[in-house]
Amino acid sequence: AQTVTQSQPEMSVQEAETVTLSCTYDTSESNYYLFWYKQPPSRQMILVIRQEAYKQQNATENRFSVNFQKAAKSFSLKISDSQLGDTAMYFCAFILYRDDKIIFGKGTRLHILP
Amino acid sequence: EAGVTQFPSHSVIEKGQTVTLRCDPISGHDNLYWYRRVMGKEIKFLLHFVKESKQDESGMPNNRFLAERTGGTYSTLKVQPAELEDSGVYFCASSQDRLVQYFGPGTRLTVL
Repeated sequence: AQTVTQSQPEMSVQEAETVTLSCTYDTSESNYYLFWYKQPPSRQMILVIRQEAYKQQNATENRFSVNFQKAAKSFSLKISDSQLGDTAMYFCAFILYRDDKIIFGKGTRLHILP
Repeated sequence: EAGVTQFPSHSVIEKGQTVTLRCDPISGHDNLYWYRRVMGKEIKFLLHFVKESKQDESGMPNNRFLAERTGGTYSTLKVQPAELEDSGVYFCASSQDRLVQYFGPGTRLTVL
């Protein structure tokens, strides 16, 4: 079965701090893409960062970076210099190359405190 | 460019009633997806359209759910009759290349 586990239902950090959100996933397949999506309160879900499973180099997007450990099936998200606008629900997810459906975790609600 | 829009944003209905959710994808996107998040659970795939054709409807819970995509443009998801367990947030997404799916804000459905 294809699953995603986010072990932290909720987190709070002070503005400007660095925070890491955990994610592990399970699939027997080798070819897939991994994602982190962000859904701010009452707003649309947007893609934060994407990682191709065959690439060893960790993806980065400005203050957002991932730590991808394929053997361990781990895909954590690090947010540096956190800002109030980072307050949101964060979903870890993946999609198989051969498929079209995204498999999501339950999400981590992140609060950035002033 | 307008994003994915969904209507209504919130719907409250009684058990046994019918509700129709609408999704307008980004113009030109052939792929349209429906997902659902039940409170406290993962977001789950429901189905996938390519233009007006159902490509994959393996996630549809049962035959009380009917999805259509008229002329390959907007899509509707009808629940008839609604049950308590149908409550949740229904997301629509569209994509050009399937890897990057753009999500709408969701419709929160409450069945009383």
